[in-house]
Amino acid sequence: DAGITQSPRHKVTETGTPVTLRCHQTENHRYMYWYRQDPGHGLRLIHYSYGVKDTDKGEVSDGYSVSRSKTEDFLLTLESATSSQTSVYFCAISENEIMTYGYTFGSGTRLTVV
Amino acid sequence: DQQVKQNSPSLSVQEGRISILNCDYTNSMFDYFLWYKKYPAEGPTFLISISSIKDKNEDGRFTVFLNKSAKHLSLHIVPSQPGDSAVYFCAASAQGGSEKLVFGKGTKLTVNP
Repeated sequence: DAGITQSPRHKVTETGTPVTLRCHQTENHRYMYWYRQDPGHGLRLIHYSYGVKDTDKGEVSDGYSVSRSKTEDFLLTLESATSSQTSVYFCAISENEIMTYGYTFGSGTRLTVV
Repeated sequence: DQQVKQNSPSLSVQEGRISILNCDYTNSMFDYFLWYKKYPAEGPTFLISISSIKDKNEDGRFTVFLNKSAKHLSLHIVPSQPGDSAVYFCAASAQGGSEKLVFGKGTKLTVNP
């Protein structure tokens, strides 16, 4: 398996609190992505990164920010968590943009906002 | 507006029979398509892909067919096995795969012994 880990695996937090999810890779891949998976919506892109300190917004970026200070780490922050952000969050990596093998996904973080 | 559509939320088949999962897309710029499989509590895993220059790609029991004129692709699993029970996501990309993946909502396949 590609070296990609997400932490924490599960988290319960209260509305209005900040939350940071971490994605760590050991593959030295340039591209990293954050998706959320919700029933009836499939996988939707939140933010992505194409290099250190190079990030951009995805389809559902409102309420989220990201940072990538090192190649191996991509952080997703919910500045003030809301119940609508209860979801399963997946990080993905890819070596390049050519879709030879697509993305490699982490195991996910299940976030519950109460 | 949903660019990648999987209109069947679920599919149930008998072990040994063929499973056919369908996917439609609306963006004519899409030229690279992938299927992912996802088990509960795990991340999606890449299954098979196809470029728009082809109309068929096989990998063991899995075959993907692409009909560009209809903007439709399908994944065939033959023979189906209980271990194939999972959620299957269709995904698409533009510009030879240089654009980010857009996913469908997924189809939950159940293969009954």
